[in-house]
Formats: sequence, C-alpha cells, structure tokens
Amino acid sequence: NAGVTQTPKFQVLKTGQSMTLQCAQDMNHEYMSWYRQDPGMGLRLIHYSVGAGITDQGEVPNGYNVSRSTTEDFPLRLLSAAPSQTSVYFCASRRPVTGELFFGEGSRLTVL
Amino acid sequence: AQSVSQHNHHVILSEAASLELGCNYSYGGTVNLFWYVQYPGQHLQLLLKYFSGDPLVKGIKGFEAEFIKSKFSFNLRKPSVQWSDTAEYFCAVTPPNTGGFKTIFGAGTRLFVKA
Repeated sequence: NAGVTQTPKFQVLKTGQSMTLQCAQDMNHEYMSWYRQDPGMGLRLIHYSVGAGITDQGEVPNGYNVSRSTTEDFPLRLLSAAPSQTSVYFCASRRPVTGELFFGEGSRLTVL
Repeated sequence: AQSVSQHNHHVILSEAASLELGCNYSYGGTVNLFWYVQYPGQHLQLLLKYFSGDPLVKGIKGFEAEFIKSKFSFNLRKPSVQWSDTAEYFCAVTPPNTGGFKTIFGAGTRLFVKA
C-alpha cells in the first residue's frame, strides 16, 4: 500500500530557480491538496483539487502553481523560488465521506 | 480572521501524567473537527475526528476529544501519557460552506514526555 508518495524528499534551490514537487496517490481519491509546514505556524493550505482538471487556491497560494491532469497526480510548481519558500511541503489526499487526510512523507525544500 | 487556535505550543509532561491540549476555532455553523499527530520523523496521521453525534469521541492509542459547541472548542485528552506519545499534535477544522474542501490546521503543540 503506497498511499501518498512525494518526491523529492530533500531539495536545495537557488533563488530564482524553478522546480516541481511531485505527488501521487493510489487510493483513487478525488481530493488532493498541498500544505506547507513552518515552525510555529502549523500547516497552511497552498492549493487543492477536487478532481481532475479542477484546482483552487488555499490560504497561501502566491508563488505556487498546480495542475491536475489525472486523479493520481497533483504536482506543485515553484516558478521562481524565493527564500520565503523554504519549508517542508506535504501533499495529502482525502478519503470521501470521513474527510480523513492521508499525507505523504514530506519534501524539505531549502531556497538559498 | 477565522482560524484554529492551539493554546500551548510546547508541553512537557512526565510519564503517567494526564494530558489536555486545547483547541478553539472561530468558524460559525457546522464544522468537522480533527486531531492529527506527527511522530518524530514521520508524516501526519489521524488521531480522531468528530462529525456529529456524541461530542466525546475516542481515537487511537487511548486519546479522546470533547466537542463543546458553545465554546467552539475541541480539546484533546489522554488520562496517562507514555514516552511514545512524544510528538506534535495538530487540531484541524473543515469550515462550513467549503464543501469539505478546505481543512485548516492550528499551529500545533509539541509534546515531550519524560520517561
């Protein structure tokens, strides 16, 4: 049971570089989301998707793009990385009805 | 701004002590409530949830939480903590009128249990 898989686990970027965090789930969940976790601030919702082709903004969407071409995949793109985007990123999918979120193991991103 | 507040950022307890972690939210209407736990080096996992019915809900590992609607609270409790409960605990709320599409988290409480 893979659940939610994120790659890479660690990444170091220079300011201005771009990159994509990958997220895949094998539970056939329609809903997927991206959070960032920062000390003292908990998890903040970046973007979410309620199904293939449908995405929407969360609490802190600026500087991030998402797309959802398939049910399984929900990549998060940083077009021009900034030091303020140094964080741990978590992808999650949601079980219908119960609303339980299933999280990936996280991706630690450092922007220099 | 509407939010989820966790009162304690850090809690240190000795084994066998009782635990209560506070959580308040500021959304009106019907909400869904959750507690998640993140053990060191692991990803978040669900401890318990409340949707409706009995306001006292029981979760895994002996944890329970009580929903008090009049106080907009959903406090987490455990009668006797163990060293293995050392973790970060997050309260989360799915606000009304979002179709269940947004889950908002509190800032988290780091619990350290001394053996």
